[in-house]
This record gives sequence, structure tokens and C-alpha cells, in this order.
Amino acid sequence: DQQVKQNSPSLSVQEGRISILNCDYTNSMFDYFLWYKKYPAEGPTFLISISSIKDKNEDGRFTVFLNKSAKHLSLHIVPSQPGDSAVYFCAATSNPNAGGTSYGKLTFGQGTILTVHP
Amino acid sequence: DAGVTQSPTHLIKTRGQQVTLRCSPKSGHDTVSWYQQALGQGPQFIFQYYEEEERQRGNFPDRFSGHQFPNYSSELNVNALLLGDSALYLCASRRGLAGGPYYEQYFGPGTRLTVT
Repeated sequence: DQQVKQNSPSLSVQEGRISILNCDYTNSMFDYFLWYKKYPAEGPTFLISISSIKDKNEDGRFTVFLNKSAKHLSLHIVPSQPGDSAVYFCAATSNPNAGGTSYGKLTFGQGTILTVHP
Repeated sequence: DAGVTQSPTHLIKTRGQQVTLRCSPKSGHDTVSWYQQALGQGPQFIFQYYEEEERQRGNFPDRFSGHQFPNYSSELNVNALLLGDSALYLCASRRGLAGGPYYEQYFGPGTRLTVT
């Protein structure tokens, strides 16, 4: 049961343009969403996150949008740079202090390979 | 400030053998999680350790076991290796339930396990 899905295996974008990466989820208990970036031979590194009580969070060139009714989130990178080329993972979790049993485990999507061409 | 470290970097084992992977959490972190990342897939949660106890487990068989030591470091053991166990094994650490955002998890570089 894939609770977090990234339906685009890859995305190719020209330098300077916008990159939009999408993610869908099915579990209504998720209340925190994260994007991780992964380079080859390295572990995932945290990029940006959003709480379910918000619909937008910005950090420099990166913005994450959350549509709870559609159970959909997206990551916008503007402007895209060649150094952004990596695998991007969407992940979701739920608050272990809210009576749940997740203990903060992360549920990941399959990843999207972003290539930014100079 | 040392981040999450894992050893070894690469490992080649034969079917049926046993393997132990090691993880040292980021300084100040006391909770360690293990994830398996198969080729072309996202990381999948194996289990999480806090206060030397397994707190939560994903959909992995009992062949996968772990341990957390008093210094918060952790081991992942896999018995009776199968070809399908070939994957990148990632360790992630964070502050425990009582402190710090529960979502702030830091990953190590992983151990690439190949089973032949």
C-alpha cells in the first residue's frame, strides 16, 4: 500500500525556469510533510517542510504547497539551477506526541529525478 | 559537529549469510531509525530505536533485527540473507520524543549491501 506517491519518475528543466515536483498521499493521519534531496552516494538531506495547518511554506528558491482536500503537495524551485539536479523525495509523518503510534517515522514516495540543463 | 555516520560503506555477502550494519547518530540525538532503499524506490522504514528499545517497526520480517546501545549508536542485523535484501540501508537520527521537532531527521550516507 503506497501511502505516498510521486507519479513522475523524472523531470527535465532548463536552467532559470521553474521546476515543479508533485506528490500525493492517501493517509489522513499525516500532519507533516517534507521534501528531501538526494545526491548519488549520499544520504537524503532535508530541504523544506510544511505542517498540515498551513498551505504554503517558502525558503529562498524553494516553496512547498499543500492542498489537504486533494491530499496533494508540490515543490516549486524558482529559478532552477544545475546544482539542483538530484533525486527529490516527498515524505510524510504524523506527530508521535498526538496519541498516535508513528513515533515520527517517515513514509517516502518513490522519488523524482530532477535534471536541470544549463 | 559530526553528522550521522554509518559503517561499512559497501558490503558484499552471499545468500544465507548474516550481516551487521552500524550507525552513530548525530551529536545530541538519541533516536535512531533504519530505512531500506531498493534501487529506484524511496526509503522504506524498517524500525526505530529510542531508549534502547524498538519503538516501532515497519513491514519487515523477523530476519531484520536491531539494537541500540547506551551511547545511542545502533546496529541493524539481517539473518539468512536473500537476493532481495540487496539495497542501500540508511540510518536516520533525531532528538527523542521529548525534545525537538519530531520531523527533523538527519540521514547518514548509507551502507550499500549486495547479496550474491
